[in-house]
Amino acid sequence: KAGVTQTPRYLIKTRGQQVTLSCSPISGHRSVSWYQQTPGQGLQFLFEYFSETQRNKGNFPGRFSGRQFSNSRSEMNVSTLELGDSALYLCASSLEDGVSYNEQFFGPGTRLTVL
Amino acid sequence: AQKVTQAQTEISVVEKEDVTLDCVYETRDTTYYLFWYKQPPSGELVFLIRRNSFDEQNEISGRYSWNFQKSTSSFNFTITASQVVDSAVYFCALRLDNYGQNFVFGPGTRLSVLP
Repeated sequence: KAGVTQTPRYLIKTRGQQVTLSCSPISGHRSVSWYQQTPGQGLQFLFEYFSETQRNKGNFPGRFSGRQFSNSRSEMNVSTLELGDSALYLCASSLEDGVSYNEQFFGPGTRLTVL
Repeated sequence: AQKVTQAQTEISVVEKEDVTLDCVYETRDTTYYLFWYKQPPSGELVFLIRRNSFDEQNEISGRYSWNFQKSTSSFNFTITASQVVDSAVYFCALRLDNYGQNFVFGPGTRLSVLP
């Protein structure tokens, strides 16, 4: 079974631009979560999607948004990029069968650099 | 507000030594979930364990064990007979059973296991 894939792996943008990152969960997984990792702020939770609905959201400005498609693939978008948005963006998927909590599986991340 | 503290920034041990990584959390909620993640040099996060607030049983998985004590708000992680492959950054995290900003990570502990 293929793991969680994230595209692109590396991205360089300039301030003010917008960016879209993509995450394909493991086949059959319905939950997708996004995290931002920076040297200064550490790991922070961005949002979680389940069955195309945003179920949880972290403390990030409205410039950060996301969505999930019917095939569970998810995208996150950052508009009006700032230098501080430079980070490793991690995506994780889990089965969420509704019976018990399921292990999360993480993708390799997208390294975003904002110049 | 929720908070996770990992007081040990870096730990170095020699292979085969036992090592304990400390995690102290703060929350006023009675229902919550605690996690440990491993981030090896490759950067991909690996889920290790999830424990809910109603289950204080300690858990052992191979060389890994976890000690959850609500009385001291701690969820410590012990690696027995450490190996070089255990070298990584380990994150403790707290998640509340509600919506909104509900997933808080500790700053991480960098473990170096020397041969």
